[in-house]
Amino acid sequence: GAVVSQHPSRVICKSGTSVKIECRSLDFQATTMFWYRQFPKQSLMLMATSNEGSKATYEQGVEKDKFLINHASLTLSTLTVTSAHPEDSSFYICSAKIRDRYEQYFGPGTRLTVT
Amino acid sequence: AQSVTQLDSQVPVFEEAPVELRCNYSSSVSVYLFWYVQYPNQGLQLLLKYLSGSTLVKSINGFEAEFNKSQTSFHLRKPSVHISDTAEYFCAVSLTISFGGYNKLIFGAGTRLAVHP
Repeated sequence: GAVVSQHPSRVICKSGTSVKIECRSLDFQATTMFWYRQFPKQSLMLMATSNEGSKATYEQGVEKDKFLINHASLTLSTLTVTSAHPEDSSFYICSAKIRDRYEQYFGPGTRLTVT
Repeated sequence: AQSVTQLDSQVPVFEEAPVELRCNYSSSVSVYLFWYVQYPNQGLQLLLKYLSGSTLVKSINGFEAEFNKSQTSFHLRKPSVHISDTAEYFCAVSLTISFGGYNKLIFGAGTRLAVHP
């Protein structure tokens, strides 16, 4: 149980275009979903937290107009990287949690490369 | 403020040897602690967690961790490692966001466990 999927697993896009990454909880309802960014050989950096039906809460230093997050349902959250640049290239990981529980369940990650 | 320190960035060990990955946290409130494992190019998998009760928690694949409140530690141990245990291990503490009514995880920097034959 508690499986989280991400799509796509890898994406290559040209500079200036936008990319959407989907995060789905497959067998549970996720009241809260999180988006992280991970640089090579580093820890996870929390970008934003989204609760179903409300606006995402962004961490300090993360541009909300650059990284658009939508949590449309209890099983789906999307991250859109707008006007992507090479410095946005990274490994993006989502996670989801169930109400009143503390652990998070992580997706397999999406490798974004901006050329 | 809550924070997590993983003292060792890399731990090399031979197969079948014991290993300990260290994790210390700082928090002024009750804590919930986690160990996650990440294999190359994959997301994180929950290895074990401490929420309350017994201070010694165990995973199904032989890892265990002990919550030590006086030393503010949550070290991960395994008595005999396998090649397949080679991965990145992250310690995390749960932070409650009161105004938002949710919890978020604060991660340590990670420890790379490299098991050699």
